Amino acid sequence: GAVVSQHPSRVICKSGTSVKIECRSLDFQATTMFWYRQFPKKSLMLMATSNEGSKATYEQGVEKDKFLINHASLTLSTLTVTSAHPEDSSFYICSASAGSGRGGEQYFGPGTRLTVT
Amino acid sequence: QQQVKQSPQSLIVQKGGISIINCAYENTAFDYFPWYQQFPGKGPALLIAIRPDVSEKKEGRFTISFNKSAKQFSLHIMDSQPGDSATYFCAASMSSFNKFYFGSGTKLNVKP
Repeated sequence: GAVVSQHPSRVICKSGTSVKIECRSLDFQATTMFWYRQFPKKSLMLMATSNEGSKATYEQGVEKDKFLINHASLTLSTLTVTSAHPEDSSFYICSASAGSGRGGEQYFGPGTRLTVT
Repeated sequence: QQQVKQSPQSLIVQKGGISIINCAYENTAFDYFPWYQQFPGKGPALLIAIRPDVSEKKEGRFTISFNKSAKQFSLHIMDSQPGDSATYFCAASMSSFNKFYFGSGTKLNVKP
C-alpha cells in the first residue's frame, strides 16, 4: 500500500500556543486529504476534508478558525491547532487519497498524539 | 445520527477460532465498504474492502460478507491469532476516495 507520514508523532505544548501537524503522501499525489480526531477507545471523527489548492471543508461543529488546514501541494497537508487548550489533547490522524488513481484507496498516516498542558 | 452501526463493542476469541464483526448502514448511496485494523497508538491500516456488486470477498484469513438488501456487512477472521488482537473499524463511503463514515469499533482479543 501507499505510504502516508505524519510529523510529529507526539507533541506536548503549553495552553495558548499553536501547534502544526504535517501530513505527507510519500509515494503518490494526494488530491484529497482528510483530518480525523480520535479520543481514547473511540472511533475516528472526521474534522475536515481538503483538496489541493482549495479551502478545506469542515464538518459540522469543527471550528475552522481553531483548526486551520492547508493543502498547499499534492503531497502535503497541514493542520494547525491555534491557541491550544487541554481539551484539544487528542490523537490526530490524516488520510490521503489519489482520487480515482491507485484504485482510489484512502491511506492513513500513523497519527500524532497532541497533549496540551 | 450514526451512519454506520458496528457490533459487538468487544470480542474475545480463542486462538484458531473465527472472529465475526458486524456492521449495518442506512444510506443506500454508499458503495464502498472497507475494514480497518488499528493497533494502540497507530493509525488505521486497510485490511480488506468490498463494493456492492459482490456478496463476498476473501483475502487470506479475512473475508467480508455483504448483504445489500439487508444493508449489512461483516468481517470474518478465520483461524484467529493473538497477533490479530486489535481494534477493528468498519466504514462506508460513497466512493473509496470520499469521506468515510466509521463504525464505533470492535476491540478483539484473541487468547492463546
